[in-house]
Amino acid sequence: QQQVKQSPQSLIVQKGGIPIINCAYENTAFDYFPWYQQFPGKGPALLIAIRPDVSEKKEGRFTISFNKSAKQFSLHIMDSQPGDSATYFCAASSFMRFGAGTRLTVKP
Amino acid sequence: GAVVSQHPSWVICKSGTSVKIECRSLDFQATTMFWYRQFPKQSLMLMATSNEGSKATYEQGVEKDKFLINHASLTLSTLTVTSAHPEDSSFYICSASTYRVEAFFGQGTRLTVV
Repeated sequence: QQQVKQSPQSLIVQKGGIPIINCAYENTAFDYFPWYQQFPGKGPALLIAIRPDVSEKKEGRFTISFNKSAKQFSLHIMDSQPGDSATYFCAASSFMRFGAGTRLTVKP
Repeated sequence: GAVVSQHPSWVICKSGTSVKIECRSLDFQATTMFWYRQFPKQSLMLMATSNEGSKATYEQGVEKDKFLINHASLTLSTLTVTSAHPEDSSFYICSASTYRVEAFFGQGTRLTVV
């Protein structure tokens, strides 16, 4: 079912580091690429989203980079904090296909 | 931001009984609602997509007679797990969107079938 491939599966960084999570998609009809953050036992929360007409979008400490020709997009978390420790999912378009998820741990 | 309320947040039921989960968009009209199932430490697997007033579209492998979805209004969708069995125990999550743009998620329902 997964039409969006996400990597890495897990990621550990030190506080202040910049974790990068990558996603690749196949369907060129996808036109909306959100990132979600999920804490254990909770539903996902929308972090930031991008459309393919821009190559980068920044909201606070979160940045999406989008490469339309490569069909890839990534999430960068600047100045990461222990409170950012969560599972992050990318998704594609209105079909809402999710990546496999990345479990991020930010060490103090 | 848009709020989606899912109820109940957890439920325990006996094998063979049915359970209904509600998903409500509180401050917007949701033309489309999605239902997902999530196993521990795994991604969200789309079960079905429902548009208000029409039948839900189920993903391959999802039994529509077992997972009944109703989207009777622009603010409410329900998922009924019929004749639940222990293997149906999971975390069920709904999301709601307007014209399939941004999707907002409920807080999820932990179903345990004993």
